[in-house]
Amino acid sequence: NAGVTQTPKFQVLKTGQSMTLQCAQDMNHEYMSWYRQDPGMGLRLIHYSVGAGITDQGEVPNGYNVSRSTTEDFPLRLLSAAPSQTSVYFCASKEIRSNQPQHFGDGTRLSIL
Amino acid sequence: ILNVEQSPQSLHVQEGDSTNFTCSFPSSNFYALHWYRWETAKSPEALFVMTLNGDEKKKGRISATLNTKEGYSYLYIKGSQPEDSATYLCAFHAGGTSYGKLTFGQGTILTVHP
Repeated sequence: NAGVTQTPKFQVLKTGQSMTLQCAQDMNHEYMSWYRQDPGMGLRLIHYSVGAGITDQGEVPNGYNVSRSTTEDFPLRLLSAAPSQTSVYFCASKEIRSNQPQHFGDGTRLSIL
Repeated sequence: ILNVEQSPQSLHVQEGDSTNFTCSFPSSNFYALHWYRWETAKSPEALFVMTLNGDEKKKGRISATLNTKEGYSYLYIKGSQPEDSATYLCAFHAGGTSYGKLTFGQGTILTVHP
């Protein structure tokens, strides 16, 4: 059982480049989300989705796009990378409206030069 | 934006000490309160999901209590060990149309010295 799989684990980009962080889960969870983790800031929600075709903004959505074409996949796109987007990104999934915990991927460490 | 506060921000204890920290969250529109343990270079792992006022949960030396009326939860670690060193996160799950959305506190960084 793979759980939540994120790729890549590490990436270095130049300012202005675009890229997509991949996230896939095999637990048939309706709810998926992306967080960024910065020192002293905890986990901040970027975007989330409550099912295929449904996405919404979180706390810090600017500079990021998401789509949810299938239940399993929830990619995060950086349109034009900026140094302020240097961070560790976590994807997570859970059942909607349930008392089960959220499952996290292993994270993607992204550096923007 | 929901306000979820954790205190203290960091804590240093000696091996064998017992310790506790606090998570404060909105006292209205409560659905659940999550606790996660987050070790450096790993992903957060769930400790507890608490849903009922007065709930107490225990896993080994770690336990948690919940007061939804006043909006706080305590996490206790009895007889801390160096392997307990981690960041402990709480997350508030509101009711209504928030679906599965969790709002995380900033975490309490625990360091247990041998």
